Amino acid sequence: NAGVTQTPKFQVLKTGQSMTLQCAQDMNHEYMSWYRQDPGMGLRLIHYSVGAGITDQGEVPNGYNVSRSTTEDFPLRLLSAAPSQTSVYFCASRDTTSKSYEQYFGPGTRLTVT
Amino acid sequence: RKEVEQDPGPFNVPEGATVAFNCTYSNSASQSFFWYRQDCRKEPKLLMSVYSSGNEDGRFTAQLNRASQYISLLIRDSKLSDSATYLCVVRAGGYNKLIFGAGTRLAVHP
Repeated sequence: NAGVTQTPKFQVLKTGQSMTLQCAQDMNHEYMSWYRQDPGMGLRLIHYSVGAGITDQGEVPNGYNVSRSTTEDFPLRLLSAAPSQTSVYFCASRDTTSKSYEQYFGPGTRLTVT
Repeated sequence: RKEVEQDPGPFNVPEGATVAFNCTYSNSASQSFFWYRQDCRKEPKLLMSVYSSGNEDGRFTAQLNRASQYISLLIRDSKLSDSATYLCVVRAGGYNKLIFGAGTRLAVHP
């Protein structure tokens, strides 16, 4: 199993550009989520999904959209990039039938907005 | 006040030392507790869950004090490979919501 994969690994955008961060998992996990990690702030939840066709907002959803058309994929779209969105983005998935609540993270996407 | 607070460190310790990290959480209704490890520029990975009775995994011991809303992680006989950032994580407000602390950085030197 590849686990959770993310593309691209690095990205530089200009203010106002849009892009999609890709996330896929091959563990058949129903729950998937997106976090951003900034220095001194820990990981903050952007959006999450409990299954195909179902998404909800997390702690910091503004400026981001998500969709979940399949169990495997959970892309994150930046609508109009701003310098405040410079961050490291992690996608994660979890087996909702497990009592461990362990989240499996992808390797991250390092995004710089100039 | 942050929901999960940790001392950012860094903790600089020699190999073989014992080091302890603390974490406090603000939501008394929090239901599950974890320690994750994050290596430099890598993704977080689960180190261990924290149970009410305390639990041990090799050189690592986790403790929970619900009355004081406090979690700890003790690492004995530190190894160079233990150098990483340790994230305190709390589950609250439904099964979807994990709250991450900002992490405590550990540097183990020869």
